[in-house]
Amino acid sequence: QKEVEQNSGPLSVPEGAIASLNCTYSDRVSQSFFWYRQYSGKSPELIMSIYSNGDKEDGRFTAQLNKASQYVSLLIRDSQPSDSATYLCAVGKSGYALNFGKGTSLLVTP
Amino acid sequence: DADVTQTPRNRITKTGKRIMLECSQTKGHDRMYWYRQDPGLGLRLIYYSFDVKDINKGEISDGYSVSRQAQAKFSLSLESAIPNQTALYFCATSALGGGGTDTQYFGPGTRLTVL
Repeated sequence: QKEVEQNSGPLSVPEGAIASLNCTYSDRVSQSFFWYRQYSGKSPELIMSIYSNGDKEDGRFTAQLNKASQYVSLLIRDSQPSDSATYLCAVGKSGYALNFGKGTSLLVTP
Repeated sequence: DADVTQTPRNRITKTGKRIMLECSQTKGHDRMYWYRQDPGLGLRLIYYSFDVKDINKGEISDGYSVSRQAQAKFSLSLESAIPNQTALYFCATSALGGGGTDTQYFGPGTRLTVL
């Protein structure tokens, strides 16, 4: 079983809509959760980190964490065509390298 | 200047050649990582190092070796390159962060083609 699961997509949303990206993980002792954005051929870029249950907002981005359900999500409000990219979920625990999901491809259509 | 640099950025080589990919960082981080990325397979961890004297294998270390020459430098070697090592390679660094785990920052990547 893959430790971090993401729907590969593509997820298509119209410009201005809310994009919702989801991630589940299997290791219950995971402590930290990250969302990275990756444009084609480029390196992953950190968008959000979250460590506690609940919501964390940063501009148009909101990360949501539910440790009981082993679920983390990323909401992108007012989606723009420039948000079209692959979004990687990463999960970590102390003393180990991060575990990355395979990513969800997001396409924002004008 | 970029905090994490990788050289070369692109490399084409032939089967059987020895190749070294280099990573340098100015972030002052103790921890460094090498990943490869293939279409549809996501990021896969090759090796990681939590400090200069610490080297750990990742999920796909066969055919690769690493050297941590200093806190700021971490090199990946392919002793005898083969075509299925054609991929995009990323170096990453981290320092201990919130929650007891790390936030990783990535270099720009090296595109390696083995003919």
